Amino acid sequence: DAKTTQPTSMDCAEGRAANLPCNHSTISGNEYVYWYRQIHSQGPQYIIHGLKNNETNEMASLIITEDRKSSTLILPHATLRDTAVYYCIVRVRRSGGYNKLIFGAGTRLAVHP
Amino acid sequence: NAGVTQTPKFRILKIGQSMTLQCTQDMNHNYMYWYRQDPGMGLKLIYYSVGAGITDKGEVPNGYNVSRSTTEDFPLRLELAAPSQTSVYFCASSYSGGQGRGLEVYEQYFGPGTRLTVT
Repeated sequence: DAKTTQPTSMDCAEGRAANLPCNHSTISGNEYVYWYRQIHSQGPQYIIHGLKNNETNEMASLIITEDRKSSTLILPHATLRDTAVYYCIVRVRRSGGYNKLIFGAGTRLAVHP
Repeated sequence: NAGVTQTPKFRILKIGQSMTLQCTQDMNHNYMYWYRQDPGMGLKLIYYSVGAGITDKGEVPNGYNVSRSTTEDFPLRLELAAPSQTSVYFCASSYSGGQGRGLEVYEQYFGPGTRLTVT
């Protein structure tokens, strides 16, 4: 599975959009980009995933560049409850062997009033 | 749905004691996983299961055992607790199904974790 690079930390004002970048320059054609987050002391929470096209759900939007070497997770109206560590993970969705999630250090997002 | 539930929430063990961490999911997911997370670090996979009766090792299996007798339950056993096993343990599950060119495994859903201290 490809490696990812994320900033260590970011700040965002409450009510503003939070844009979290992720570089995955070695991503291969069948690898998806997944985003999870972990609020302090809780289990990781799935947010969104995508392959080539931009994706949106009730939590966030995912923008993937045309060359697929980077992506941005957008929280359109950040709240204090969005303060968490955000993990960008690249992996295939195949079965066989285990479906490993490699959690790096992630980006620590602090949303402030 | 309750999702993925774990018990206990907290536990303190003495060195050499044993215990079982319980994990149950009610989403009929066939894949289940156990991770550990040390302070300030990412998650590491201990064991996983692709279905009832089938388990396999992850990245850090030493000192642990698992079983999967039902789809819903995936207990993690520590036989001789050591201080190095002090950590937060997360159970997760995911669904796999046939789609497109073959079987795919979907996103993982995590339980709230068990905080274990071994002294």
